[in-house]
Amino acid sequence: NAGVTQTPKFQVLKTGQSMTLQCAQDMNHNSMYWYRQDPGMGLRLIYYSASEGTTDKGEVPNGYNVSRLNKREFSLRLESAAPSQTSVYFCASSERPGGNEKLFFGSGTQLSVL
Amino acid sequence: DQQVKQNSPSLSVQEGRISILNCDYTNSMFDYFLWYKKYPAEGPTFLISISSIKDKNEDGRFTVFLNKSAKHLSLHIVPSQPGDSAVYFCAATGFTSGTYKYIFGTGTRLKVLA
Repeated sequence: NAGVTQTPKFQVLKTGQSMTLQCAQDMNHNSMYWYRQDPGMGLRLIYYSASEGTTDKGEVPNGYNVSRLNKREFSLRLESAAPSQTSVYFCASSERPGGNEKLFFGSGTQLSVL
Repeated sequence: DQQVKQNSPSLSVQEGRISILNCDYTNSMFDYFLWYKKYPAEGPTFLISISSIKDKNEDGRFTVFLNKSAKHLSLHIVPSQPGDSAVYFCAATGFTSGTYKYIFGTGTRLKVLA
């Protein structure tokens, strides 16, 4: 049982390049999330998808787009990467949004934008 | 505006003693509070949670206390073990201002000394 799988684990981009971070979960969860972790800032929500077919902005959505491809997959796209997007990105899923739902996280993608 | 704050970036405790990790929040609309534990190069994993209508929840060595009037919660680990050394994040969830929020604090790095 893989849980939440993120690819790639590491990526280096030049300013202005684009890339897509992939995330898939095998727990049949309805909700999926993208967070970024920066030193001293904790985990900040970029976008989330409460259920298949819906996406909503989180705390820090600027510079990102997402696609909920199907129930399993939720991708995060950087159209024109900036150094401020250097961070560790985590994908997570839960059975449903809200309340006491536990999030299950992937192992993260370390992204550097030069 | 940091709605969930962990004011202690780090904490060192002797093995066998109590570890107390603190968390403050500003939004009274949060209805659940959760603690996550994170090891290096891994995603966070759920540890324990508490509903806003309770003031204490216990699970083995881990107890979370909630003081709603002070908008403060704490995680107690007794006895502390070297394997507890990790970064701990508190999180708060709820629907506020028409949107769903799942907000994390900045984290506290716990080091348990053998």
